[in-house]
Amino acid sequence: QKEVEQNSGPLSVPEGAIASLNCTYSDRGSQSFFWYRQYSGKSPELIMSIYSNGDKEDGRFTAQLNKASQYVSLLIRDSQPSDSATYLCAIYNFNKFYFGSGTKLNVKP
Amino acid sequence: EAGVTQFPSHSVIEKGQTVTLRCDPISGHDNLYWYRRVMGKEIKFLLHFVKESKQDESGMPNNRFLAERTGGTYSTLKVQPAELEDSGVYFCASSQDQVGAYGYTFGSGTRLTVV
Repeated sequence: QKEVEQNSGPLSVPEGAIASLNCTYSDRGSQSFFWYRQYSGKSPELIMSIYSNGDKEDGRFTAQLNKASQYVSLLIRDSQPSDSATYLCAIYNFNKFYFGSGTKLNVKP
Repeated sequence: EAGVTQFPSHSVIEKGQTVTLRCDPISGHDNLYWYRRVMGKEIKFLLHFVKESKQDESGMPNNRFLAERTGGTYSTLKVQPAELEDSGVYFCASSQDQVGAYGYTFGSGTRLTVV
């Protein structure tokens, strides 16, 4: 069983729409959750972290965490073509990251 | 501030050959990590250095992989002999603090192709 599961996509949304990216994890004791964005051929870059149940907003991004359901999501409002990338969900346990395989997002102009 | 630098960016080698990947962490970062992503799979942890010491090497796949960090500065990851399944992207990351994920900076990776 994978520690972190994501739908590989691609997820296609029109420009200006809300993109919803989802992730589930297996270790119920996980406390730290992260979303990374990775453009093709580039390094993963941190978008957001979340530690508590509920929503956390940062600009156009909202991370949502439901520990009871072992579910993390990332909402991107007013999606832009520049948001087109692979989004990686990750948990941080035992001083290392466990990544999902990533969801490819395409934002169509 | 310079980021995490990895060399080479791409490497194509034949099965059975040896390849050495290099990572230069951000100056002053004691913690250095290696991860890799094989085709179609998720990014997976390989090992963690604190300065020149291996803190955690639980992710190293087998003894064909050897990581070193002499002097606690740059690190090398040698694959000898390389196999087809070693193809993928190898990422290095560094951080200043050992505990916690903040300040964790990834390099852009080395794409290794074994033919």
